[in-house]
Amino acid sequence: DQQVKQNSPSLSVQEGRISILNCDYTNSMFDYFLWYKKYPAEGPTFLISISSIKDKNEDGRFTVFLNKSAKHLSLHIVPSQPGDSAVYFCAALGTGTASKLTFGTGTRLQVTL
Amino acid sequence: DGGITQSPKYLFRKEGQNVTLSCEQNLNHDAMYWYRQDPGQGLRLIYYSQIVNDFQKGDIAEGYSVSREKKESFPLTVTSAQKNPTAFYLCASRIQGMNTEAFFGQGTRLTVV
Repeated sequence: DQQVKQNSPSLSVQEGRISILNCDYTNSMFDYFLWYKKYPAEGPTFLISISSIKDKNEDGRFTVFLNKSAKHLSLHIVPSQPGDSAVYFCAALGTGTASKLTFGTGTRLQVTL
Repeated sequence: DGGITQSPKYLFRKEGQNVTLSCEQNLNHDAMYWYRQDPGQGLRLIYYSQIVNDFQKGDIAEGYSVSREKKESFPLTVTSAQKNPTAFYLCASRIQGMNTEAFFGQGTRLTVV
């Protein structure tokens, strides 16, 4: 039962353009969402998060949007840079049955020159 | 410097042997987690602990065991019952009960030979 889904395993974007990574969830008990960036053979590093009381959070080039009614969130990276090439994971937390930190399957982003 | 440390970085095990992966944090975090990553896969939760002397099974706990005798430490034992132990193992910690990010260690690559 995959409660957090990232349906696009990979994405290729040109440098300078916008990267949009998507994530869907099924458990309505989730109320806090996070995005992580991961390089091979390293631990994930935290990028940005959003609470369910908001629909947008911005930090520099990174913006996360949350659509609670659709149980969907997205990460926008503008402008994309070659150093952004990595695997991006979304994760979710909540209460009760959602109290464990649950990750999606990841999207590999490649930013080309 | 505060952080979360996993050791060793690489570990080789013979079939039929148990092996213990170390995870130590000095961030004063209550919650700790163990994840497994396989090639092309997301992060799957093995076990998590929200408080000392208590832990819960994650989604793939079979063949693994943990202990949480100290707040700083959450070792994971991969037993001989785990059928496919070769993987990249990640430990994380976070403040329990608040909307905050989890911090990850650098991971341990376990290979069964």
